[in-house]
Amino acid sequence: DTAVSQTPKYLVTQMGNDKSIKCEQNLGHDTMYWYKQDSKKFLKIMFSYNNKELIINETVPNRFSPKSPDKAHLNLHINSLELGDSAVYFCASSQNRGVNYGYTFGSGTRLTVV
Amino acid sequence: AQTVTQSQPEMSVQEAETVTLSCTYDTSESDYYLFWYKQPPSRQMILVIRQEAYKQQNATENRFSVNFQKAAKSFSLKISDSQLGDAAMYFCAYKGGSQGNLIFGKGTKLSVKP
Repeated sequence: DTAVSQTPKYLVTQMGNDKSIKCEQNLGHDTMYWYKQDSKKFLKIMFSYNNKELIINETVPNRFSPKSPDKAHLNLHINSLELGDSAVYFCASSQNRGVNYGYTFGSGTRLTVV
Repeated sequence: AQTVTQSQPEMSVQEAETVTLSCTYDTSESDYYLFWYKQPPSRQMILVIRQEAYKQQNATENRFSVNFQKAAKSFSLKISDSQLGDAAMYFCAYKGGSQGNLIFGKGTKLSVKP
């Protein structure tokens, strides 16, 4: 029973394509996140949703669009993929936005744009 | 803005020895939590230990313990009796009330020599 599941785990695609990464959590958590881990392993917040409401939208190109159909799902759609979008994308969830709650992470999606 | 600094990009330890990973942070908030996450080559992000800012007692989880110096804004991780399976990237992270998301340091890559 995977707590936070991301699909696909690997994604290789050509520049200019549009792709989506799906994330689902079965923990009953209220808050979900997308992070990007670059080639130097740095983890940076992209988006956060709380009960389907967007609460954090960092400086991310508007080619990236998150969608949360319900509080258990947070998908990431990327338009017109560029070489610089190659990275590992992590979905995570937490009980809520309270400071005392850490994250449960998905296993990550390695996106390679060629 | 809150920042997290890990000044050791790489560390190495002999199996069964003890190693300490450094982390400093900057914040003006009074209510926050600090976390250490481990990322082995499998890419999975695993919570190692967490510390509440209001607690003076240092957190301990089996072979992992922290040295939390609130005034100095320092949060180091000590790994005792190092094992080969401890080899991984270790990330220090901060979570405060104003943003509600985890802010990560750049990570320390730990190698364990047999």
